Amino acid sequence: DVVLTQTPLSLSVTPGQPASISCKSSQSLVHGDGKSYLYWYLQKSGQPPQLLIYEASKRFSGVPDRFSGSGSGTDFTLKISRVEAEEVGVYYCMQNTHLPLTFGGGTKVEIK
Amino acid sequence: QVLLQQSGPGLVKPSQTLSLTCAISGDSVSRKNAAWNWIRQSPARGLEWLGRIYYTSKWNSDYAVSVNSRISINPDTSKNQFSLQLNSVTPEDTAVYYCARDGAWDVWGQGTTVTVSS
Repeated sequence: DVVLTQTPLSLSVTPGQPASISCKSSQSLVHGDGKSYLYWYLQKSGQPPQLLIYEASKRFSGVPDRFSGSGSGTDFTLKISRVEAEEVGVYYCMQNTHLPLTFGGGTKVEIK
Repeated sequence: QVLLQQSGPGLVKPSQTLSLTCAISGDSVSRKNAAWNWIRQSPARGLEWLGRIYYTSKWNSDYAVSVNSRISINPDTSKNQFSLQLNSVTPEDTAVYYCARDGAWDVWGQGTTVTVSS
């Protein structure tokens, strides 16, 4: 199975400051069609994960442009240019290039 | 707008069968190029994909190795829904269970907390 390793495990951010989360894969996530099926989610307390980024760098509809995804192969990054208070929660990466689908362990983001 | 509505008991006894249903609105369980998944989340195991069904010219399924001998995911085309059955449960199966649609992976059910306890 593909192992996704997220760092850091937790992040304390001042509102308005940037944040960056890394997701490293044990195998290349480039599919035969050339796409990387790497997703980023935010899970708020008591809710299902909500999609932020799909296919590594495509922002999902309605997601603020402060969120951006980058990377290819085995190294991926989620960046938030200015963190807002309502964006606290746990951020997860997920890959769907290889079965079984797997998730990173999560990065907990809190506000200072 | 596609919505997934989960239903099923929140408490299951050890050795019994966990059964959950995911009702689909705004899409079809039989649509080709769509797969319907079950995922669970627990503090011990994190987010764990359990399996999926999808329709080509026939119904297909894939299951995680960890539950392969105990799991069944089935469609109900008459009700446009799909179900999860997990047999011989133990306390380690205690988790929040989610259904989800693949593609952009933007559609998830609300989650069902299932506790395995006598």
